[in-house]
Amino acid sequence: GENVEQHPSTLSVQEGDSAVIKCTYSDSASNYFPWYKQELGKGPQLIIDIRSNVGEKKDQRIAVTLNKTAKHFSLHITETQPEDSAVYFCAAHFGNEKLTFGTGTRLTIIP
Amino acid sequence: DAGVIQSPRHEVTEMGQEVTLRCKPISGHNSLFWYRQTMMRGLELLIYFNNNVPIDDSGMPEDRFSAKMPNASFSTLKIQPSEPRDSAVYFCASSVLRGSETQYFGPGTRLLVL
Repeated sequence: GENVEQHPSTLSVQEGDSAVIKCTYSDSASNYFPWYKQELGKGPQLIIDIRSNVGEKKDQRIAVTLNKTAKHFSLHITETQPEDSAVYFCAAHFGNEKLTFGTGTRLTIIP
Repeated sequence: DAGVIQSPRHEVTEMGQEVTLRCKPISGHNSLFWYRQTMMRGLELLIYFNNNVPIDDSGMPEDRFSAKMPNASFSTLKIQPSEPRDSAVYFCASSVLRGSETQYFGPGTRLLVL
């Protein structure tokens, strides 16, 4: 079945440094890859997404890259700020309506 | 737009009691998803509906769980009888069917079964 692996499970970076979270997926037919940010006590919120016909997408300090051949995609956050501290989930869409989520990365920004 | 609305936000109940969680999707969205989140198992899809029709309930853990969507603006997830292992955060999400795969999540219901 569909599988999404996410690494690392926890990540601490100094404020102002960059953070990178990586995910791999199992089904080469996957065509849509969103990233969600979940703050304490809240539901996951979409922060950026990418489709399989694009290799990279950027939105201010956040960027996502996709390598279809290797079946992996990554989230890059530059110039990290304390409000970036949260749990981040990657997900993959496998051609039906369902999303399969990674196990999450707890990002801590150290002031 | 009010976003996805869930109620109650917190629920504490005793083992054996019936629990009903409610969800109002974003207006105009015609796909609705119920998820359960725990530390051990992460975010699990329980069931989803397209145009009020259940499409895939393979994630529903057992017969104690049931979900309905009587109309486009309301869905319920019911647990009867509840057990301590059902304690989790339950999320509802909605999206536009075949228009975008983007799912928008509600704030969740934190359920504690004693």
